[in-house]
Amino acid sequence: EIVLTQSPATLSLSPGERATLSCWASQSISNSLNWYQQKPGQPPRLLISDASSRATGIPARFSGSGSGTDFTLTISSLEPEDFAVYYCQQRYNWPLTFGPGTKVDIK
Amino acid sequence: QVQLEQSGGGVVQPGGSLRLSCAASGFIFNNYGINWVRQAPGKGLEWVAFIRKDGIDKNYADSVRGRFTISRDTSKNTVYLQVDSLRFEDTAVYYCAREGFGEPWGQGTLVTVSS
Repeated sequence: EIVLTQSPATLSLSPGERATLSCWASQSISNSLNWYQQKPGQPPRLLISDASSRATGIPARFSGSGSGTDFTLTISSLEPEDFAVYYCQQRYNWPLTFGPGTKVDIK
Repeated sequence: QVQLEQSGGGVVQPGGSLRLSCAASGFIFNNYGINWVRQAPGKGLEWVAFIRKDGIDKNYADSVRGRFTISRDTSKNTVYLQVDSLRFEDTAVYYCAREGFGEPWGQGTLVTVSS
């Protein structure tokens, strides 16, 4: 099973600041990585697929990068609605696995 | 409108069973595999199972293999997750999602295992 690690666990920032979230895989997963945003009481929302492709309707301030074992989600300028929990997920092989999440909260 | 409508959650005793449903509308059901993902209270996301669009290929998380069964009924545009031999640690909100995990996801259904 591929284990995903996310850092930091919590990121405290102000609106307008840049957020950089990291995800590491226990083995190479090529670019088979998704990023999700989840708000309380809601299902997750796909932000990025294949490490760097924004999903339909996702604002350009969200970007993803990386390949192999190291991946990054960047939010260029935080909007009030971006404060949420973010998860990475690998789709390289079965079983699919998620990282533990990074909570982005308001400083 | 593309939609996944879930039903079938509830409270069940350890060792009990439930059948969760995920009814699809607004898209060509036969073109998509379907995933189940769960989230224990206050915890992160756990992928549970996947069924391919042809209904033949299925994959399960190790934590549920042998206890959960995923299936699909093309006449009803519905995917089912039969959850048997339930344990306390199966308590979670269960979501269904299309292959690829894009929009939409189901709204989630709560399964509570309690004595």
